[in-house]
Amino acid sequence: GIQVEQSPPDLILQEGANSTLRCNFSDSVNNLQWFHQNPWGQLINLFYIPSGTKQNGRLSATTVATERYSLLYISSSQTTDSGVYFCAVGDQGAQKLVFGQGTRLTINP
Amino acid sequence: ETGVTQTPRHLVMGMTNKKSLKCEQHLGHNAMYWYKQSAKKPLELMFVYNFKEQTENNSVPSRFSPECPNSSHLFLHLHTLQPEDSALYLCASSSGANNEQFFGPGTRLTVL
Repeated sequence: GIQVEQSPPDLILQEGANSTLRCNFSDSVNNLQWFHQNPWGQLINLFYIPSGTKQNGRLSATTVATERYSLLYISSSQTTDSGVYFCAVGDQGAQKLVFGQGTRLTINP
Repeated sequence: ETGVTQTPRHLVMGMTNKKSLKCEQHLGHNAMYWYKQSAKKPLELMFVYNFKEQTENNSVPSRFSPECPNSSHLFLHLHTLQPEDSALYLCASSSGANNEQFFGPGTRLTVL
């Protein structure tokens, strides 16, 4: 099955800093999603981005499907951005989401 | 609010108990999913239902029994669980258009 690797596993930044999270995947995909998991466990949809670039406020994402990676950018970080960020890709026709191990982001005031 | 609700949010049960988790989606989706998130492990898909029919069982032990009476409701019936089954159980739904999945808040299960 498809493999998903996220880096870095942990990232600690000061408020106001910018960050880039990376997701590599081992096969072509037609579904790629980025999520933020808050401290209570809720997975919040950030982007559905199997290819191309999208922006939503301080967050943006780019997927280069031909090179099998996706990047999540967070600018001007706030403490509320803390949490675990997951990349998930669709396997077997896109319905089966395979998750990476996540990047734990800590934003200090 | 993602349009997917789960109850209960927390559950503590003994190994001999029987309990059920409930998921409801208000998004008009036709597919529903159960995922398991254990400590220090990635989220794992357990079951997929499309139009009430189970289309994926990811080698889940029979002590977990899913039920999907209609496209808006999904249950996970639990019996004779083991302590290692303690985890966060997440429900998700998607439409057939692009399969973007939306998750509920999860049920945090502890098996004593």
